[in-house]
Amino acid sequence: AQSVAQPEDQVNVAEGNPLTVKCTYSVSGNPYLFWYVQYPNRGLQFLLKYITGDNLVKGSYGFEAEFNKSQTSFHLKKPSALVSDSALYFCAVRDPAGGGNKLTFGTGTQLKVEL
Amino acid sequence: DGGITQSPKYLFRKEGQNVTLSCEQNLNHDAMYWYRQDPGQGLRLIYYSQIVNDFQKGDIAEGYSVSREKKESFPLTVTSAQKNPTAFYLCASSVGDRYTEAFFGQGTRLTVV
Repeated sequence: AQSVAQPEDQVNVAEGNPLTVKCTYSVSGNPYLFWYVQYPNRGLQFLLKYITGDNLVKGSYGFEAEFNKSQTSFHLKKPSALVSDSALYFCAVRDPAGGGNKLTFGTGTQLKVEL
Repeated sequence: DGGITQSPKYLFRKEGQNVTLSCEQNLNHDAMYWYRQDPGQGLRLIYYSQIVNDFQKGDIAEGYSVSREKKESFPLTVTSAQKNPTAFYLCASSVGDRYTEAFFGQGTRLTVV
């Protein structure tokens, strides 16, 4: 079975500082990994994905994520946080070896960027 | 504009009543999904469909039903058997291969009164 863990319910960071939102996964094969962002009472917006190739993936709004197979992690990062980055972030995984198209989400991490 | 439309945005239901949430997409996507979002629990998969006239149960299908008679439509019915239906419901679609991301609608907030 595929699963995703986001160990932090909330992350606080000062504007201008780097931010990291953590994600670890469990799959039987090689994972396909995704990050989404959600603003209040809205749907999810896609940020970036890792399918294969370079472990550092760049996405929308200056976000990037690093795939680490040995640590089964896919942490979301941004070099300099903005107040407007404050939102709920979700990591998601597909397991092509066993899960078909099923997309499994983590519980989400609330990011708060303060002045 | 291409996208996914969920309606209504807010829905109130009396206990014991069935209610149907609408999801329509004009992205020509093969796969469609229904998720339920509760605070602190993230998104949990209710049902998904990879092709017309076919769908599979997700992790929390009990008390829900779906149909996929048309490629662009994937309505979700919340039945009276669902014990705790108050939640935010999200519909999504994707091309259908395993590599592409899913696109989400704006959600329907269902409240049982």
